[in-house]
Amino acid sequence: AQSVSQHNHHVILSEAASLELGCNYSYGGTVNLFWYVQYPGQHLQLLLKYFSGDPLVKGIKGFEAEFIKSKFSFNLRKPSVQWSDTAEYFCAATPGVGSNYKLTFGKGTLLTVNP
Amino acid sequence: SAVISQKPSRDICQRGTSLTIQCQVDSQVTMMFWYRQQPGQSLTLIATANQGSEATYESGFVIDKFPISRPNLTFSTLTVSNMSPEDSSIYLCSVTGVYNEQFFGPGTRLTVL
Repeated sequence: AQSVSQHNHHVILSEAASLELGCNYSYGGTVNLFWYVQYPGQHLQLLLKYFSGDPLVKGIKGFEAEFIKSKFSFNLRKPSVQWSDTAEYFCAATPGVGSNYKLTFGKGTLLTVNP
Repeated sequence: SAVISQKPSRDICQRGTSLTIQCQVDSQVTMMFWYRQQPGQSLTLIATANQGSEATYESGFVIDKFPISRPNLTFSTLTVSNMSPEDSSIYLCSVTGVYNEQFFGPGTRLTVL
């Protein structure tokens, strides 16, 4: 069965620290990958997406993610976090071909950034 | 991206009753989905809302419990029937964008007493 796993349940950082959140997926074929963010009290927003091409994708608010096919990974990174990055982050995937757009989500990683 | 609204934003309901949640999109979309996010959990897909035909349910979800309507390309409803405290969750609708990414509504926070 298709699945997405996120390694960290809760990450606590100080401002200006670098961030890397792990995400691994298990899909047999091509895959589309996403990172979503949910700020406190707000709805889910799309941070960035990978469909094909350059495996390093850049998203909003200085976030980026790298698709490494050999490792089935799509880790999220940010060089220097801010207090406002405190949120829950979800990795998600969907098959890259066909008409099945159903998203499979990871369990989420809560990021707390201390000022 | 599409602008998605949901009604109600939150509700507190009694056991055994039903609640209908509305999802409205500001443009016509092909694919609409309903998800559930239980407390402290990730999102789980309930069903795909198909326009003009019955919804397609995921394993573990049935039409009698979660009837869905999709009368046109901008609107859908999800009903949570015969509720129990285990149904307390956030219910979200989503739509696909031009590149098949999904955009989510603000969610409906349901508490069942």
